[in-house]
Amino acid sequence: KAGVTQTPRYLIKTRGQQVTLSCSPISGHRSVSWYQQTPGQGLQFLFEYFSETQRNKGNFPGRFSGRQFSNSRSEMNVSTLELGDSALYLCASSLDPSSGNYEQYFGPGTRLTVT
Amino acid sequence: GEDVEQSLFLSVREGDSSVINCTYTDSSSTYLYWYKQEPGAGLQLLTYIFSNMDMKQDQRLTVLLNKKDKHLSLRIADTQTGDSAIYFCAVRKSGGSYIPTFGRGTSLIVHP
Repeated sequence: KAGVTQTPRYLIKTRGQQVTLSCSPISGHRSVSWYQQTPGQGLQFLFEYFSETQRNKGNFPGRFSGRQFSNSRSEMNVSTLELGDSALYLCASSLDPSSGNYEQYFGPGTRLTVT
Repeated sequence: GEDVEQSLFLSVREGDSSVINCTYTDSSSTYLYWYKQEPGAGLQLLTYIFSNMDMKQDQRLTVLLNKKDKHLSLRIADTQTGDSAIYFCAVRKSGGSYIPTFGRGTSLIVHP
């Protein structure tokens, strides 16, 4: 079974631009979560989507948004990029969070650098 | 909210056992996980334990849970250079928000 894939793997953008990252979950997984990982803040939860609906949201500004498609693929968008948005963005998929154990499987991440 | 603490670094010699520790604050945490992150990669789920268990063994990995002290540990037996990575502890509750809280990660360095 193919794992979680994220595209692109690396991205360089300029302050003020916007960016869209993509995540394809493991086949059959309906929950997709996004995390931001930085050396200073560690792993921070952005949001989680399940069946095309945002179910949980972390403490990030409205510049960070996401969506999920009917095939469970997910995208996240960051508008008006700031230098502090430079990070590794990780996507994780799971079968169904409400089913009890919540085993998340992570993709390799997208390394975003904002200059 | 939940707070999860880990020491930042651990250095061991190849062949020795490694013990990575984690403490958490919310006593209602039900599911406790250990993830491994190698350079340039995402997080890989290594193992997990439920709060009604004291110990779980999976090949070279042993997870110990002291629920009273809210302390979780991961023991890696016969540590190899390939075990060098960052190890994350994560905890979550069974109800309410099921989003796990992650520790900052422990960087394990294995030297010959």
